[in-house]
Parts: sequence; C-alpha cells; structure tokens
Amino acid sequence: GENVEQHPSTLSVQEGDSAVIKCTYSDSASNYFPWYKQELGKGPQLIIDIRSNVGEKKDQRIAVTLNKTAKHFSLHITETQPEDSAVYFCAASGNRDDKIIFGKGTRLHILP
Amino acid sequence: DAGVIQSPRHEVTEMGQEVTLRCKPISGHNSLFWYRQTMMRGLELLIYFNNNVPIDDSGMPEDRFSAKMPNASFSTLKIQPSEPRDSAVYFCASSYGPINQPQHFGDGTRLSIL
Repeated sequence: GENVEQHPSTLSVQEGDSAVIKCTYSDSASNYFPWYKQELGKGPQLIIDIRSNVGEKKDQRIAVTLNKTAKHFSLHITETQPEDSAVYFCAASGNRDDKIIFGKGTRLHILP
Repeated sequence: DAGVIQSPRHEVTEMGQEVTLRCKPISGHNSLFWYRQTMMRGLELLIYFNNNVPIDDSGMPEDRFSAKMPNASFSTLKIQPSEPRDSAVYFCASSYGPINQPQHFGDGTRLSIL
C-alpha cells in the first residue's frame, strides 16, 4: 500500500522568510496530493491540493510542486506570517476508492 | 455554511465503558470518514462511507470499534468496551464524491479513557 514520508518534523523560520516542507510517496499510481493545515484544537483544513496532471499550483503565498518521476511533492510558503504557525500534513491518494494516506506532519514555528 | 459538526468535543470515561462519538457531515456531501489522531501513529483512517454504505473499514483497529451511518446527515463511531489505548482525538470528515476529493474535517472529539 501507499506510504507517505514527510520532512522535516519541525521547522522554525523567521517571519517574512520562506518555508518548505517535503513529502515522498511510494505508490506510482497515486494521483491526488492534498495539503492540510491544523491549528491547535482544530481539525485539519485543506489549504491546497494538486493532481498528477499538473506540476505546480499556486494560491497567493502558498505553492505546491509535484515531481511524479521522483515521487515527491513539496509545499512552499513565502513571506511567512505569525498565523502560518501550525502543523502541516501532506497526503496522497490514488484512484477514486483508494485511501488517503497522511504524512506524520510538520510543526511550523514562525519566529518574530 | 455549517461545517462538519462533532459531539462531544471532549469525553472522559473509565475503562470498560461504552463510548459513542457523533458526527453530522456537511449537507450535500455523500462521503464520510472517521479518523483517529495520536502522537505515535499520526492521522489514521478508520472507516469511510459513500452514500451511507461502508466502503472500507480495514482501518478499524478491533471488533470493539463499530461505525454506522443510518442516514446522510448522521454517523456514529462506537467503542465497546473502551480501553486506555483508545485515548486519542477522533475526527470526522466529509466530502462530495469519492475519497480522492477535498475532505472537510470537524474539530474532533478528544477521548480520554482512564
């Protein structure tokens, strides 16, 4: 089955700098890659997703890139702000009834 | 628009007691998911329903766990009897369409089994 590895587990960046979180997956049939943000005491919230027919997707300060050959995808946050502090999860899924498998999460700290 | 609603938000009970967690998905969504989150194992899918029918329950840890979806607007996850190792945060999520579509999570139930 699918296995998703996420790095780093903790990341601290200065406010205004960029943050990058990386994930790898094992199943070459996976074709849907969402990213979720989880704030303290809340459920994960989808922030961006990408499908395998696209190499990159942007939404304001957030971008995701996908390399299907290498089986890895990354989340990029530019001009980080204090409200970006949270735990971020990547995930991967294949065909319509395949499970979504989540990475273990990255705790992002934005330093003042 | 109301999101996914879970109840209770917190539950503390003694080992051996029955625990029932409840979920109301977003209106119009036809897929519902139950997850468990722990520090050790992260976010794990327990079971998911499509059009009220259980599609995959391979993530349910043991026979002590059961889930039902009697109609499109309500689901329960039951643990009987509960054990301390069941302590975790349980999330319900819903989506429109199959599993590889954006999921909307509730704020979870923090369960503590003493």
